This record gives sequence, C-alpha cells and structure tokens, in this order.
Amino acid sequence: NAGVMQNPRHLVRRRGQEARLRCSPMKGHSHVYWYRQLPEEGLKFMVYLQKENIIDESGMPKERFSAEFPKEGPSILRIQQVVRGDSAAYFCASSPLTSAADTQYFGPGTRLTVL
Amino acid sequence: AQSVAQPEDQVNVAEGNPLTVKCTYSVSGNPYLFWYVQYPNRGLQFLLKYITGDNLVKGSYGFEAEFNKSQTSFHLKKPSALVSDSALYFCAVRDGNNNDMRFGAGTRLTVKP
Repeated sequence: NAGVMQNPRHLVRRRGQEARLRCSPMKGHSHVYWYRQLPEEGLKFMVYLQKENIIDESGMPKERFSAEFPKEGPSILRIQQVVRGDSAAYFCASSPLTSAADTQYFGPGTRLTVL
Repeated sequence: AQSVAQPEDQVNVAEGNPLTVKCTYSVSGNPYLFWYVQYPNRGLQFLLKYITGDNLVKGSYGFEAEFNKSQTSFHLKKPSALVSDSALYFCAVRDGNNNDMRFGAGTRLTVKP
C-alpha cells in the first residue's frame, strides 16, 4: 500500500513564476491537509480539503495561494507569483476519516526554492 | 485555540540511556495528542497518539508517551536510546472542534555512541 506521494520533491522557481505542488493521498483516504515548514521550525497548517471541497483554509495566505482536490487526480497547492519568502518545505498529509482523533500520514514533502 | 510547547530545542543523550522529549499543550476541549519523528529531508513519520484511555501510550520503535492531564503534558520517552533515534521530534495537538493540527517547534534529539 503506497504511502502519501508528493511531487516534485524539489522545485526551483524564479520570483514571479508559478509553483504547482501535487499530492496523492494514501489509497482509501479522502481527506488531505497541506502544511508549510520553514527551516528549523514546526509545521504550520494551511488548508484542509475533501474531494471537490475546501473544508478549512484558515491557514492559507489570503493572496497568491490556492488549493484544490478534484474528483479525479491529486490535490494541487498552487502558488502564483512566488516570492523569496515562499521558499519552504510543503508537506501534504492524508487521513481516511474526518475525526480529530484520526492519524494524519505525511508525504515526503516538496522543497520549494525561490531564486 | 490549541497550542503546543516543546521547551527544549535540543536533547542530547548517550546510547543506552533513557531519553525524554518534553511536550506541554493547551486546548479548550479534550486533547488529541500526537508524536511524529522527522529524519533529514524526509516527511513526518507517525510514532504514537493519545485519544482516550490509558495514560501511557506505546508506539513505534520502542517509544512511549505519558499523558498527564493535571500538568497538561505529553512527554515522549524511551528506556534505552539508539544512535538511530537521532532526529527531529514533533509533538502535535488537536481538539475535537478544529480541523488543524498544531505542531510544536520541534526538538532535535542527538544520541551519541
């Protein structure tokens, strides 16, 4: 049973370009969470999605960031017009249910570097 | 809103000695507490969680954690540390009313041979 998959693992963009990060949850999981990790810091919640629905985006910056989880295909975190401050590791997690007690399983992350 | 504190940035222990990584939390409702480990350039791996029941929770790789409601703590422990346990450890908390999991800043554990 494959775990959470993220690609690309490393992404380099110049300021002003767009970054697209993809996440495929574990088989049977329909809940996806995105987190951002700055160097030597903990993870900060960004957004929680179910298939075709954004449930909670309280951690998402108001501009340039968006997320989706379509009926078919992976979840996408999209960052438009990237700036140097967007450089970070972005992790996706998935869970089978929506209970607060559910374990979230993490992918390997995408490390975004903005030049 | 819930929050987590990991008071130690760094913990150093000798191989074979017991280790403790500290975590305290704050939630308005019932806490759901988690420990994860992160190796360099990798994602987080789940170690254990407390939901309800016994205060002592056993997890992967010989780790355990003790839930202490009066002290609002959930310290991670292992009786005998291995060099391979060296990694970054994160404590996280959720309550039943929020979708986001709040993570501590992490504690870097170094086990020396």
